Amino acid sequence: ETGVTQTPRHLVMGMTNKKSLKCEQHLGHNAMYWYKQSAKKPLELMFVYSLEERVENNSVPSRFSPECPNSSHLFLHLHTLQPEDSALYLCASSQEGLGGPNTDTQYFGPGTRLTVL
Amino acid sequence: AQKVTQAQTEISVVEKEDVTLDCVYETRDTTYYLFWYKQPPSGELVFLIRRNSFDEQNEISGRYSWNFQKSTSSFNFTITASQVVDSAVYFCALSRLQGAQKLVFGQGTRLTINP
Repeated sequence: ETGVTQTPRHLVMGMTNKKSLKCEQHLGHNAMYWYKQSAKKPLELMFVYSLEERVENNSVPSRFSPECPNSSHLFLHLHTLQPEDSALYLCASSQEGLGGPNTDTQYFGPGTRLTVL
Repeated sequence: AQKVTQAQTEISVVEKEDVTLDCVYETRDTTYYLFWYKQPPSGELVFLIRRNSFDEQNEISGRYSWNFQKSTSSFNFTITASQVVDSAVYFCALSRLQGAQKLVFGQGTRLTINP
């Protein structure tokens, strides 16, 4: 069983559409993340939620809107996107805290491949 | 500022060859974590290893081994007797011990193992 799942795996949307990406973690972690991976660019951290509160927003345009209703679920709401937003969107989760072999390590989902037409 | 450099953009070897992926990092922190992740064509980043800056012992896990050298700020990854299934993009990453949420990734090295 995969610890972090993402749906949909592929999404094609027009610039005027509204869609949402969903992430669910089954690892009992207390932090969740959204990353963007574009071609020929390093992985970019977009948002971090710790204990369901947003603790990081890396200057992401407002057309991306995250939501974390509980510690197991994370959404990324998309509206009026641009073609340059086409990318692989990866979700991750981790258990925060010092010490222990499994804390502070981020585990990733399979990603959603987004194409904006 | 933290930075991770993977100078090798692409590597191609024949199956059963040994291959080393280089990773050099920069940080002003005295304590930090280093990571390696594997991204196969399916897209998911698979966690391979985490090292704490306190521990400079090298590690071996099956065909994989990691060489951490604090003196040269390097954390290299070697695959012994490579297999076609090792073909993937490999990422080296760095984070603070406190504030480990901010992972800084290298550009990645695309490794192709040819039969």
